[in-house]
Amino acid sequence: EVQLVESGGSLVQPGGSLKLSCVASGYTFSYYWMDWVRQTPGKSLEWIGEINTDGSKTNYAPSIKDRFTISRDNAKNTLYLQMSNVKSDDTAIYYCTSNSGFAYWGQGTLVTVSS
Amino acid sequence: DIQMTQSPSSMSVSLGDTVTITCRASQDVGIFVNWFQQKPGKSPRRMIYRATNLADGVPSRFSGSRSGSDYSLTISSLESEDVADYHCLQYDEFPFTFGSGTKLEIK
Repeated sequence: EVQLVESGGSLVQPGGSLKLSCVASGYTFSYYWMDWVRQTPGKSLEWIGEINTDGSKTNYAPSIKDRFTISRDNAKNTLYLQMSNVKSDDTAIYYCTSNSGFAYWGQGTLVTVSS
Repeated sequence: DIQMTQSPSSMSVSLGDTVTITCRASQDVGIFVNWFQQKPGKSPRRMIYRATNLADGVPSRFSGSRSGSDYSLTISSLESEDVADYHCLQYDEFPFTFGSGTKLEIK
């Protein structure tokens, strides 16, 4: 059974940093591109970015480019989202999803940006 | 960025109804449109991929179609378990973009 489990969400102050993790199991993690998607309190979904199988290529949404960095460690079956210079608009539930057509999603981790 | 204009934003429906939700793409996105169902407190669940393909385990009353730049999700004979939010996604061109969502409610 495919499982994606996010962690690392918390309350962070504006301008601060946070690193989210997503541990994958039940499939060959290194074979698939991975994405991060977030959902704001207003319930809209927003694609954040993606990373290729070996971590050498990433694509990002303009709203977070140069502030967020996606990486992965295939030996640990783990995807990361490094968030820096966070803003109140970054408050959301963050999901990792397997880019096999977005078939699999984690349960999400909540990031709250507030002073 | 490609806009996915989703309509309606909400629908009040009756059990047994046939329901159609539509996303209109502002540019050609080919077949790269997915539909997701999301229930309160849960992650999105993929229902349709590549515009018309039923995802694994999804009941056959769900279907996806395309007419030009209009993509539709149809639920035939609505059941109570189908009451949820629905989202479309285009993943043809970066940045990938979602529709604004449709909330189904029971009359």
